[in-house]
Amino acid sequence: DTAVSQTPKYLVTQMGNDKSIKCEQNLGHDTMYWYKQDSKKFLKIMFSYNNKELIINETVPNRFSPKSPDKAHLNLHINSLELGDSAVYFCASSRFSGTFRAHEQFFGPGTRLTVL
Amino acid sequence: DAKTTQPPSMDCAEGRAANLPCNHSTISGNEYVYWYRQIHSQGPQYIIHGLKNNETNEMASLIITEDRKSSTLILPHATLRDTAVYYCIVVRGADGLTFGKGTHLIIQP
Repeated sequence: DTAVSQTPKYLVTQMGNDKSIKCEQNLGHDTMYWYKQDSKKFLKIMFSYNNKELIINETVPNRFSPKSPDKAHLNLHINSLELGDSAVYFCASSRFSGTFRAHEQFFGPGTRLTVL
Repeated sequence: DAKTTQPPSMDCAEGRAANLPCNHSTISGNEYVYWYRQIHSQGPQYIIHGLKNNETNEMASLIITEDRKSSTLILPHATLRDTAVYYCIVVRGADGLTFGKGTHLIIQP
């Protein structure tokens, strides 16, 4: 069983379109995250959600919006796609968040987004 | 979060121990040291973490110096499948991990 899954694996689209990437975790974790890995391979946090509450937003454009229908899902919606949005997007989950509490994050396989 | 410094690349012979260093001289008392790795085209994989004491699990050992300003990840018997980029991350808890450039470990047959 896949712990953290993402769909689709590849996404090719035109500039200006709106697209979504889905993420599901079956680990019973409380917190989920979205990361972006650009062409230079830098991996950066975008969002995290804990009990449907956004707790991190690292200067991400408001064209990006996370949506969590339930604790097991955190989908990423992107409006008006731009060339610079091309990257690999990773979803992750962890048992809980918060400072002073060590825990590991489980990552999905990634979604490669290409904007033409 | 404290900044980390790692060598950009390292080679290791298959079957030997791979020792990956990490400097984190600005670490504060409540920050953990985490290690993750990313095998080509896959999502990052958690390896191990520690606060003050040395740690060991089925994948690796983590040695943290007494002053906590540096650490070493040890893969005891490296295999070709251990070829990956290894990230040392220092953070309070694990909200929003900040990945640096990491060390590209290449296991040679």
